[in-house]
Amino acid sequence: DSGVTQTPKHLITATGQRVTLRCSPRSGDLSVYWYQQSLDQGLQFLIQYYNGEERAKGNILERFSAQQFPDLHSELNLSSLELGDSALYFCASSVGTGVSTGELFFGEGSRLTVL
Amino acid sequence: AQSVTQLGSHVSVSEGALVLLRCNYSSSVPPYLFWYVQYPNQGLQLLLKYTTGATLVKGINGFEAEFKKSETSFHLTKPSAHMSDAAEYFCAVSVNFGNEKLTFGTGTRLTIIP
Repeated sequence: DSGVTQTPKHLITATGQRVTLRCSPRSGDLSVYWYQQSLDQGLQFLIQYYNGEERAKGNILERFSAQQFPDLHSELNLSSLELGDSALYFCASSVGTGVSTGELFFGEGSRLTVL
Repeated sequence: AQSVTQLGSHVSVSEGALVLLRCNYSSSVPPYLFWYVQYPNQGLQLLLKYTTGATLVKGINGFEAEFKKSETSFHLTKPSAHMSDAAEYFCAVSVNFGNEKLTFGTGTRLTIIP
């Protein structure tokens, strides 16, 4: 158990819909990362938050947005869903300070299926 | 920008045989290198990492990797494969220690033949 909790584990929805994925980081971790894993694209970095502020942005579509709340949990919002958005979405957390082990702790992922 | 290339999307070895998973990196600055493992229906977990210092690093479950700057490689090895090693393995690189935005390779699925 990594200590990172993601909900829901599975989600099936239709094209054009909007979903929200939730992540609770490990206790004490200030940084949250979102990754998308698909068969054709592999593991792609989407976005990082540190203590409520956006720290880095990767290959995140404009239809997607994220935020980190004061209690440090994070949500990834996916809207106007397309078939190609079907993937496994991982949240990871890390200490995220200057004293770092360089290690990310991953949740078990949220599997999104768009029909 | 940094990147990693994993040679071989699928590798099969017999139980008890040597495991060798290849990873080459590209980085304009000294990299930090990682190997993560993903078991079926689970998230990724860290196997080992190279930051600075000794170039041969040992990880969990008997795995080790050697950082070779001249070859820009960070290959993962294990002397004797076990059935429980069947999983997908990801090599990753970061150039900002303390800000762990990792760039992952495409992964290598390891199958162990009984």
